[in-house]
Amino acid sequence: GQSLEQPSEVTAVEGAIVQINCTYQTSGFYGLSWYQQHDGGAPTFLSYNGLDGLEETGRFSSFLSRSDSYGYLLLQELQMKDSASYFCAVGSNTPLVFGKGTRLSVIA
Amino acid sequence: DAGVIQSPRHEVTEMGQEVTLRCKPISGHDYLFWYRQTMMRGLELLIYFNNNVPIDDSGMPEDRFSAKMPNASFSTLKIQPSEPRDSAVYFCASSLGQGQTQYFGPGTRLLVL
Repeated sequence: GQSLEQPSEVTAVEGAIVQINCTYQTSGFYGLSWYQQHDGGAPTFLSYNGLDGLEETGRFSSFLSRSDSYGYLLLQELQMKDSASYFCAVGSNTPLVFGKGTRLSVIA
Repeated sequence: DAGVIQSPRHEVTEMGQEVTLRCKPISGHDYLFWYRQTMMRGLELLIYFNNNVPIDDSGMPEDRFSAKMPNASFSTLKIQPSEPRDSAVYFCASSLGQGQTQYFGPGTRLLVL
């Protein structure tokens, strides 16, 4: 089967850096994706890692280590608007499997 | 592209009534997914289609739920009869490939009284 583990909640201060970890178990691994969902909104795609290493998109970066079945999402220069839930999702030869999400609260 | 389109955005109905949710995927995407999201159970995959054909409906909770995709640009999720425990946000998503990035619609917020 497939499973993902990520922390349920994280709190960080505005302007700081926060890392959200994700570990997974799957077969036929394609890649690891990250989605953001604001309260009342829909999940929106943030980033994708198909190969080991770091992918950077503005203030957000995502990292993957396939040998460790581990990835993380790094958010820099946190803003209040970054308060949301963040989901990691594993792609394989089946539809994406989503983690249960990490609720990030950014405080002043 | 307009993205994935869902309608209605909000639906309030009474127990026992039929509910039909609609979805238009992104043009060119071969896969369409229906999800349900609640606080208790998170994001659950209900059913998905490939080229309009249902591939896996093992996530459909009961026979009261049914889904169709008559063509590449339209899908419906129907609940008949609806029950209060069906209250949730229902998302439709589409993708180019089975394990590839999915793009979600805005969701339908269903409340069954």
